[in-house]
Amino acid sequence: DGGITQSPKYLFRKEGQNVTLSCEQNLNHDAMYWYRQDPGQGLRLIYYSQIVNDFQKGDIAEGYSVSREKKESFPLTVTSAQKNPTAFYLCASSIDDSHNEQFFGPGTRLTVL
Amino acid sequence: AQKITQTQPGMFVQEKEAVTLDCTYDTSDQSYGLFWYKQPSSGEMIFLIYQGSYDEQNATEGRYSLNFQKARKSANLVISASQLGDSAMYFCAMREGRRNNDMRFGAGTRLTVKP
Repeated sequence: DGGITQSPKYLFRKEGQNVTLSCEQNLNHDAMYWYRQDPGQGLRLIYYSQIVNDFQKGDIAEGYSVSREKKESFPLTVTSAQKNPTAFYLCASSIDDSHNEQFFGPGTRLTVL
Repeated sequence: AQKITQTQPGMFVQEKEAVTLDCTYDTSDQSYGLFWYKQPSSGEMIFLIYQGSYDEQNATEGRYSLNFQKARKSANLVISASQLGDSAMYFCAMREGRRNNDMRFGAGTRLTVKP
């Protein structure tokens, strides 16, 4: 089955720790995205990547970092500099960065203790 | 400034009836796209339908149709013959220009389908 996987489903972090959220796709898509969702709000773009070895900041990139060393993988690191990291994180991909349909993973819920 | 507004935090509909979810948007661009996504309780977002600003016909995908009123800047989603599996959060989104990094999402509407 083609799709996007995210792991872990739930993640707990102590203050001051960095954590990395995994995102893998086997759809052969060039573009990948990370979104953050807070209660009562829509999705906000953290980072996106149009192609391997390239990525750009979205609207709320502060306190986050990414890498895109392989086409299939786009991990997100939530650093200790992110002041309010508790949220639901969604990874998505699309054929290219202008294709209408984005495919989403099941999400990771991060809680800071 | 809020670019996408969904004024209905929650909606109820009887099974097999039609329901309209409201969405208004704000843009000065001539070229833009409007999207609807469904988010079940499992969390993933599912693409439902797309409408381009230059499309003259309203978009339809199965039981979903987008009522696009350009002059009023509204892009309402109509779900016909509601099913219990339609219960979910629904998000309206707008993309200004051609790139997905310019996508903006509304706050969502929770739809509950009653048996």
